[in-house]
Amino acid sequence: DAKTTQPPSMDCAEGRAANLPCNHSTISGNEYVYWYRQIHSQGPQYIIHGLKNNETNEMASLIITEDRKSSTLILPHATLRDTAVYYCIVRVAFMNRDDKIIFGKGTRLHILP
Amino acid sequence: DSGVTQTPKHLITATGQRVTLRCSPRSGDLSVYWYQQSLDQGLQFLIQYYNGEERAKGNILERFSAQQFPDLHSELNLSSLELGDSALYFCASSVSPYRDTQYFGPGTRLTVL
Repeated sequence: DAKTTQPPSMDCAEGRAANLPCNHSTISGNEYVYWYRQIHSQGPQYIIHGLKNNETNEMASLIITEDRKSSTLILPHATLRDTAVYYCIVRVAFMNRDDKIIFGKGTRLHILP
Repeated sequence: DSGVTQTPKHLITATGQRVTLRCSPRSGDLSVYWYQQSLDQGLQFLIQYYNGEERAKGNILERFSAQQFPDLHSELNLSSLELGDSALYFCASSVSPYRDTQYFGPGTRLTVL
């Protein structure tokens, strides 16, 4: 079972900010939140990750709530090329034998012209 | 281009056969991950290697095996193939266990007839 819950699909108008939510209520103190996206059947692409502070890079911003039970990925100015499935996962940084990486079904984001 | 290469791009084979998928990680990356993505299962983590040693194991069938060689490339061996093994197989690499952002390859599409 996925450790995260995401809406199955979302629409966003081109040029607007896309805000993608993710619930991870059972996250452990040493688990990071990672976001990836997959365009068509290409290999997933890393977007951003964080532990408890908000993070920003050239692609997106990641807002993590203070209790770390949820987060939001923000694409500030969505373009048609941002149409993809977005995956939110939680995982430890250094995996041990019993650790797993669980990708849920993600959110299918449609950018509308 | 993530810098991770996978060969072959496409593979068509028959049930009962054995195939080998190959992955070359990004230059400098020591860790390799394998994933399976089928239509009804989403992205499933199979196994992780770090510097030649198996690190973490996910939902990998006993018919499947993998290894990472001294030059850090990895191979995923699939044997006694079944129709249900038809899927996209992705390899990902990361620098080290402490900088574990994964970069995915373009995938190998396996079709079992």
